[in-house]
Amino acid sequence: DAKTTQPTSMDCAEGRAANLPCNHSTISGNEYVYWYRQIHSQGPQYIIHGLKNNETNEMASLIITEDRKSSTLILPHATLRDTAVYYCIGGGIQGAQKLVFGQGTRLTINP
Amino acid sequence: DTGVSQDPRHKITKRGQNVTFRCDPISEHNRLYWYRQTLGQGPEFLTYFQNEAQLEKSRLLSDRFSAERPKGSFSTLEIQRTEQGDSAMYLCASSLLLWGSYNEQFFGPGTRLTVL
Repeated sequence: DAKTTQPTSMDCAEGRAANLPCNHSTISGNEYVYWYRQIHSQGPQYIIHGLKNNETNEMASLIITEDRKSSTLILPHATLRDTAVYYCIGGGIQGAQKLVFGQGTRLTINP
Repeated sequence: DTGVSQDPRHKITKRGQNVTFRCDPISEHNRLYWYRQTLGQGPEFLTYFQNEAQLEKSRLLSDRFSAERPKGSFSTLEIQRTEQGDSAMYLCASSLLLWGSYNEQFFGPGTRLTVL
């Protein structure tokens, strides 16, 4: 599984776009990038995933660089409820059996 | 509520005692996972089942730990002779295996274990 590197913490103002970077320089060609988040005292929650094309769903957008060595999760209009630890996970094929979490990025949305 | 449930939510025990946790996955999810999370760290994979078969176990899962999913529905995780280092949040997740699409994992709220 690809090793990922994320900043330890970030701050963002409510209503602004939150851009969370992730480096995954060792990712192989058939490995996906998955994003989960964990709100305090809850289990992790799936956000989005991608292989090489940019992806968007109702929660977020995922921008993957052309060389696939890094990606950015975008929360377009952050709210206080988006305060959480965000995990970027690389590896596995679609339908991966297990998730290998790092320490993630602690995102704080400020009013 | 049709999400993943875990019982108990909190457990305090004395070192050396045995504890058992239960996880009820989302109905008809055929995959069930156990993770452990210590303070300030991301969850660590322990084991997973597909239906009743245990398909993978982490090296973290010492012989004091045993997990079962006897009828392919709920699962139990037992820790024998607990140690203070076992204190953690134990998370259960489930997913529905559908080939050709991503099988996101749905997590329960966790069981917080404190070993005194």
